[in-house]
This record gives sequence, C-alpha cells and structure tokens, in this order.
Amino acid sequence: QKEVEQDPGPLSVPEGAIVSLNCTYSNSAFQYFMWYRQYSRKGPELLMYTYSSGNKEDGRFTAQVDKSSKYISLFIRDSQPSDSATYLCAMRVNRGGAQKLVFGQGTRLTINP
Amino acid sequence: GAGVSQSPSNKVTEKGKDVELRCDPISGHTALYWYRQSLGQGLEFLIYFQGNSAPDKSGLPSDRFSAERTGGSVSTLTIQRTQQEDSAVYLCASSWTGATEAFFGQGTRLTVV
Repeated sequence: QKEVEQDPGPLSVPEGAIVSLNCTYSNSAFQYFMWYRQYSRKGPELLMYTYSSGNKEDGRFTAQVDKSSKYISLFIRDSQPSDSATYLCAMRVNRGGAQKLVFGQGTRLTINP
Repeated sequence: GAGVSQSPSNKVTEKGKDVELRCDPISGHTALYWYRQSLGQGLEFLIYFQGNSAPDKSGLPSDRFSAERTGGSVSTLTIQRTQQEDSAVYLCASSWTGATEAFFGQGTRLTVV
C-alpha cells in the first residue's frame, strides 16, 4: 500500500465549476500537507500548505485537512481554463535528521471553456 | 540564481551508457532532493541531501544510481549502465532546512533507447 493515495483521474469539468481533489494517507507521522500544481513539461510549483486540521483559503483555492480521517482535499472555486494542470498532493515527514516529501500520483485536471 | 536549474533539459542515451544529470539549487538552500517521474506517475523519491551529506538515500532504485553534492551546492545524479526502465523525468528540488516549500527545477527528460 502506498503511503499517499490519489486518484489519477483524468478529471474534466466545465469552466466555472467547483473542483474537488482528494488524497488519503496512511502515515500518521506526516506533519505538513501540501498541494503542488504541475503544468505540462514543467516542474511542480507549490500552491498551498497546511499544518493542522481545518481549512486554509487562498483566493479561489481552499485546502482542507482532516487528520483523524487521514484525508486532505483541495477545492478550486470558479475554475478557469488556466487551472488545467496536474495537481499533486504531498506530505512531509522528518525521519532521523532527514526530511522527506512523499507525493501522491497526481490528478490530471482539464477545465473546458 | 533565480531558481533551480537542471541540465541537460533533455538527454537521449543508448542502453548501457552512463549518464550524469546536474542540479544547481537556489543559492543558500541547504536541502536538496532528487525525484523521478515516470509517464503519468507521481514523483518517486530518490535521495535527500542536507548540505553535502545524504541522510536519506532510501529511494535509489539500484546500485547503478548514485548522487553526490559538493560545496553544499551543485548536485549530480549518475546512472550507470542505463536501462530502458530508467527513462523518466528526473526532478531536483531545493529548500531551506525545515522549510515547507521546496522549489523544483524543470527536470531532465531522460530517454534510454
């Protein structure tokens, strides 16, 4: 079983829709929960990160963490064609002096005009 | 530098040849990561550097893979006797130690023919 599970999609929605992206994880040692966006043939870029359970909002994006259920979500409101990309959840754990980012498989999202 | 720089951006090599991939992290960043991304897959952790030391090299797939970092800056990932299954995008990221955000380079697309 992978430490982080993410539905790879693909997910296709019309412009203006609310998008919900999700990940589950099994390691309760994960401390930080992140969402990265990756455009085709580019490196991932950090969108948002959270530490504790609850919601964090940044413009049209909301990140949600439920540590009791080991479940995180990213919501995109008023989705735009420019939001079309692969979204990767990532979680950070510190082990023996090393810090490690563990990524989900990524969900490929397309917003149709 | 302005960001994480990786070279070459593309590399085609014959099966059995050795390749070296280079990563120039953001100046001053102490932590450096190497990841591998196969087509349609998430990011697979390879190795983590703290300064010039690698406290976590658990992700290196075989002894054909090695990495080093010198001067707390540039890192090279070496793959010996390349195989077709080594074909992937190799991504490097850097951050301040303990920082949540890791900045990724554009990656090196390796194709083994």
